[in-house]
Amino acid sequence: GNSVTQMEGPVTLSEEAFLTINCTYTATGYPSLFWYVQYPGEGLQLLLKATKADDKGSNKGFEATYRKETTSFHLEKGSVQVSDSAVYFCALRVYSTLTFGKGTMLLVSP
Amino acid sequence: GAVVSQHPSWVICKSGTSVKIECRSLDFQATTMFWYRQFPKQSLMLMATSNEGSKATYEQGVEKDKFLINHASLTLSTLTVTSAHPEDSSFYICSATDRSSSFTHNEQFFGPGTRLTVL
Repeated sequence: GNSVTQMEGPVTLSEEAFLTINCTYTATGYPSLFWYVQYPGEGLQLLLKATKADDKGSNKGFEATYRKETTSFHLEKGSVQVSDSAVYFCALRVYSTLTFGKGTMLLVSP
Repeated sequence: GAVVSQHPSWVICKSGTSVKIECRSLDFQATTMFWYRQFPKQSLMLMATSNEGSKATYEQGVEKDKFLINHASLTLSTLTVTSAHPEDSSFYICSATDRSSSFTHNEQFFGPGTRLTVL
């Protein structure tokens, strides 16, 4: 079956620090990969995506590269801000079904 | 654009009662809606998929008689938890896709979720 594993949080960083949130997956077929973000009190929002191997998704300074050889899609940002504090979900999609990781809470302090 | 709302945002009910949760697409026609359940520190688990005007497709292990889903219009889907019990307490999230849009085809837009607590 399909599954997504991401690092447990919370991840606590100071402003302007480098961020990495690891995500690995197992899937049948050829999945598309996603990162969603959930700010407090809000719904999930698509942050970035990649649809095939070696694609790099990027948005708002975040980026992730689809690595088929390591079945990974790690999220990175060079300099985090307090406003980036949220829960981040890695997900894969095969056909129309999304499979999510458990989410990683990021807390950024000034 | 592509906003999905849920109502209520939270609800507390007594064991044995039924609770209805609404999911609305505010600025697009949602040809397909999805219902998820999220336990604390757990993944979102897909419960069912519904297409407008047809019966919902439930995931394995989800009781269709307990979690009634209605998708009667292109902008509204409802989830009714019948005869709720404490173990049904959870965070329920809906999402919707606008397959008529070539730009957002297959992308799911999520609602803010509904926190259900059954006493």
